[in-house]
Amino acid sequence: LAKTTQPISMDSYEGQEVNITCSHNNIATNDYITWYQQFPSQGPRFIIQGYKTKVTNEVASLFIPADRKSSTLSLPRVSLSDTAVYYCLAEGTGANNLFFGTGTRLTVIP
Amino acid sequence: NAGVTQTPKFQVLKTGQSMTLQCAQDMNHEYMSWYRQDPGMGLRLIHYSVGAGITDQGEVPNGYNVSRSTTEDFPLRLLSAAPSQTSVYFCASSRGQVDGNTIYFGEGSWLTVV
Repeated sequence: LAKTTQPISMDSYEGQEVNITCSHNNIATNDYITWYQQFPSQGPRFIIQGYKTKVTNEVASLFIPADRKSSTLSLPRVSLSDTAVYYCLAEGTGANNLFFGTGTRLTVIP
Repeated sequence: NAGVTQTPKFQVLKTGQSMTLQCAQDMNHEYMSWYRQDPGMGLRLIHYSVGAGITDQGEVPNGYNVSRSTTEDFPLRLLSAAPSQTSVYFCASSRGQVDGNTIYFGEGSWLTVV
């Protein structure tokens, strides 16, 4: 079971870079890591996905070291609107793909 | 693009009543799943399906039934509603292990059991 571990919560001031780390000690060689963002009263939405090294899009960057036992979601210069819960999922087989866990609650402070 | 569509968005039930939450997706996804989310908590997997005719239990299946007669539809049935089932329910779909299993969610169904 490719389970993940994340911090329960984080606080950050506006304008700072935020890094959220996810541990996944048991993923297979070809498994992807996907991060989702959830605002209150909404379903989670995809923000970034990676397999190795670094991936960047208009929202975030994802760093996956060579040993792939962890990954880090990086949000540059956060704003109040980035306050949300962030979930890390490691791809697996069957239902292993589907467990979200508690996520990391990010609070951005003015 | 419709994506994942859930109905109803809001529902109030009396204890002991039964009801069905409907979920449909138009992306031809093999995987579909139902989650519940209690206030301030994470998503908990209720039931899931990896294809038409196949369903399985998640973390919290008691009190719920599902069926998957078509690829598009995955209804969730509450057999005898209890106040403990008051929650927000999310339906989701994905392509499985294609494209890293990116999961797409519906807008949620708010259920209150009184």
